[in-house]
Amino acid sequence: RKEVEQDPGPFNVPEGATVAFNCTYSNSASQSFFWYRQDCRKEPKLLMSVYSSGNEDGRFTAQLNRASQYISLLIRDSKLSDSATYLCVVSLNSGNTPLVFGKGTRLSVIA
Amino acid sequence: GAVVSQHPSWVICKSGTSVKIECRSLDFQATTMFWYRQFPKQSLMLMATSNEGSKATYEQGVEKDKFLINHASLTLSTLTVTSAHPEDSSFYICSAATSGGRFLDEQYFGPGTRLTVT
Repeated sequence: RKEVEQDPGPFNVPEGATVAFNCTYSNSASQSFFWYRQDCRKEPKLLMSVYSSGNEDGRFTAQLNRASQYISLLIRDSKLSDSATYLCVVSLNSGNTPLVFGKGTRLSVIA
Repeated sequence: GAVVSQHPSWVICKSGTSVKIECRSLDFQATTMFWYRQFPKQSLMLMATSNEGSKATYEQGVEKDKFLINHASLTLSTLTVTSAHPEDSSFYICSAATSGGRFLDEQYFGPGTRLTVT
């Protein structure tokens, strides 16, 4: 079983749409959770950390369900610039421990 | 925010040659650096964890004699791909982390190095 699993997509959505990505992780000892964004041929960039209580950053909302080992990302009012691959990332700790990446979910926002 | 640089950004080399990739933390001291590799349409896979002044810890399946890692200072780690073969062609990305200070809880990624072995 893969450590972090995501639906690879692609998700093709019109501008203004709301889209949700899901992710499951296998290691129940995971402590830190993130969503990263990766553009083609570029390094991943941190989009947001995910907290147990759920957190929001503008149009982006992240949720964590530790019992189900499930993480989600909701993007509202999609923009063309949101087109990218979204990586679900977990870690046993933070900072000095390795990150475990999902394969990513591709999003294409269409005009 | 913290800045991590990688050099070169891309390199093409012939099979059998060695390539060195540098990863530098520009405005903070990185006690730990990680080297990842990403094949097309695959996730980033951790290759090794490198702590300054000590030997790197390699993930299962990564040959330590082929991928030489040196973390000689708190701002520089190098990855040398020795006797490169076409199957080593990949996107190599480093990340840097520090154990304290305002950069706690986050790893900072370099821009990556695209290696093509012909």
